[in-house]
Amino acid sequence: DAEITQSPRHKITETGRQVTLACHQTWNHNNMFWYRQDLGHGLRLIHYSYGVQDTNKGEVSDGYSVSRSNTEDLPLTLESAASSQTSVYFCASSDGNPTGELFFGEGSRLTVL
Amino acid sequence: ILNVEQSPQSLHVQEGDSTNFTCSFPSSNFYALHWYRWETAKSPEALFVMTLNGDEKKKGRISATLNTKEGYSYLYIKGSQPEDSATYLCAFSPRSDYKLSFGAGTTVTVRA
Repeated sequence: DAEITQSPRHKITETGRQVTLACHQTWNHNNMFWYRQDLGHGLRLIHYSYGVQDTNKGEVSDGYSVSRSNTEDLPLTLESAASSQTSVYFCASSDGNPTGELFFGEGSRLTVL
Repeated sequence: ILNVEQSPQSLHVQEGDSTNFTCSFPSSNFYALHWYRWETAKSPEALFVMTLNGDEKKKGRISATLNTKEGYSYLYIKGSQPEDSATYLCAFSPRSDYKLSFGAGTTVTVRA
């Protein structure tokens, strides 16, 4: 069965460290998204990609970057982790249909000390 | 940033009772409205994708309606069961884009 997986599921790091969260999907979807979940805010879009070599900033992109070198993967990098980036991160993908539903990974809980 | 509002933020329902809650979104430039169900310790799963004014969707005891002219959607749960306890997210997609803007969710707790 097709799926979308995130790793690591849990990570604790220190302020200033670089952190990369991996996202891998086997749906062969063109569209991939990174969201963060914070209390009272629901899901907020960090970065997204509509295909290989395409990346775009979402509403809360400061301090984050992504790259899309193939269809399956969209890693999210925190260049210099800050305590404000402590959150649960969700990766999602969808097909090229504008009404296509999102398929979510299981989330990565990041704590920045 | 597109303003998607959900109300109430949370509600408690007695088992067997029916309930409903609201998602409001920009009525201009509408393309699609999604509903997702998000159980604790799991990832969100799609319930409905709605595109047409007047759309009604149903899945088991859960149904949704859409009014694109006034910018709102209702989600209904009929005869609530404990397994309906979850956070229900709505998300709006404008005509120009595939990406979704999510509301903060309505958390439903069904008491046995």
